Amino acid sequence: GNSVTQMEGPVTLSEEAFLTINCTYTATGYPSLFWYVQYPGEGLQLLLKATKADDKGSNKGFEATYRKETTSFHLEKGSVQVSDSAVYFCALSQGGSEKLVFGKGTKLTVNP
Amino acid sequence: EPEVTQTPSHQVTQMGQEVILRCVPISNHLYFYWYRQILGQKVEFLVSFYNNEISEKSEIFDDQFSVERPDGSNFTLKIRSTKLEDSAMYFCASSPRTGGTDTQYFGPGTRLTVL
Repeated sequence: GNSVTQMEGPVTLSEEAFLTINCTYTATGYPSLFWYVQYPGEGLQLLLKATKADDKGSNKGFEATYRKETTSFHLEKGSVQVSDSAVYFCALSQGGSEKLVFGKGTKLTVNP
Repeated sequence: EPEVTQTPSHQVTQMGQEVILRCVPISNHLYFYWYRQILGQKVEFLVSFYNNEISEKSEIFDDQFSVERPDGSNFTLKIRSTKLEDSAMYFCASSPRTGGTDTQYFGPGTRLTVL
């Protein structure tokens, strides 16, 4: 079945450091790919998405490119801020199914 | 900006009791979902609901669970006889169209604690 694998956390960075959170997926066909973020004490918020190969999703300085050849959707940000501290979830959905399939989540802590 | 709301934010119950978790999806959305997140684990899909019936459910969603849209705004998840392992954060979500390519918007969650 479909699955998502994320790099294990936690990740701790200093402010203004470069961030990469790796995400790879297993799916038949062409899934849509998402990054959701969960701030402390809050629910899941969509950060960005891409619906076809080579699409780049971007939001709030975060980017991720849908790479079909490597089945990846890595999240990047050039300069993180303390306010980016949260748990980041990679997810996919596939036509014919209603559900989102999530990775385990990666906790990011950014120190001043 | 419209948002999904959930009540209560925290529910504590005794094992074997029935609980109902409530959600108000975004008003023009047609698809509704429940997910759960056991502490420290993945967010897991439970069920999707469209046109007043279940459109998909996971193996977790057994006979102890049911969903209902009792009126034009609420969407509920009922657990008939709670178990300790039902303790989790339960998230409601909605989307305007089928979730294959469309965004699902999540509520803040209800933390269920079963004692």
